[in-house]
Amino acid sequence: GENVEQHPSTLSVQEGDSAVIKCTYSDSASNYFPWYKQELGKRPQLIIDIRSNVGEKKDQRIAVTLNKTAKHFSLHITETQPEDSAVYFCAASTSAGTALIFGKGTTLSVSS
Amino acid sequence: DAMVIQNPRYQVTQFGKPVTLSCSQTLNHNVMYWYQQKSSQAPKLLFHYYDKDFNNEADTPDNFQSRRPNTSFCFLDIRSPGLGDAAMYLCATSTNSNQPQHFGDGTRLSIL
Repeated sequence: GENVEQHPSTLSVQEGDSAVIKCTYSDSASNYFPWYKQELGKRPQLIIDIRSNVGEKKDQRIAVTLNKTAKHFSLHITETQPEDSAVYFCAASTSAGTALIFGKGTTLSVSS
Repeated sequence: DAMVIQNPRYQVTQFGKPVTLSCSQTLNHNVMYWYQQKSSQAPKLLFHYYDKDFNNEADTPDNFQSRRPNTSFCFLDIRSPGLGDAAMYLCATSTNSNQPQHFGDGTRLSIL
């Protein structure tokens, strides 16, 4: 079945360092790839997304890259800050276009 | 202003006693989703409505039902809650399945 794998499951960095989270997806028909940030006890919030006709997208300190051939996409956070600490989920649209499949999440800890 | 509103934020029910969770939206989005999220896990899609069309995930237990009486409201009914149903239940909306999903703050369900 359709699947999204996300790595690493935990990531610890020092403030100011960069963080990279990687996801692979199985369905070649997937064409929409959002990233969500979820702080403890709060709702997931969309931080950036990318569509299959674009290879890279950037929004200030956050960027996402997509390699359709390899079926993987990555989240890059530069100049990390303690407030970036949260769980990050990647997701991919299903071939039927009805929903999203989420990765298992990455817990990012940024220490000052 | 909250655009996807879930009530209540916390719900306690007894084992086997039916419970209903509610979600409303002010975005006029076509699609409404219900997710179950357990601690340290990704949101798991239970079902979604595309307008009035109901789409059930294959592994969603029969114990879970949903109603969408109009565009703005969607309900999650758990007919006979078991201890394993204790979780955060998240409602989300989108204009289309390949568009960003907007999440509510969730309802945390506890089973006594």
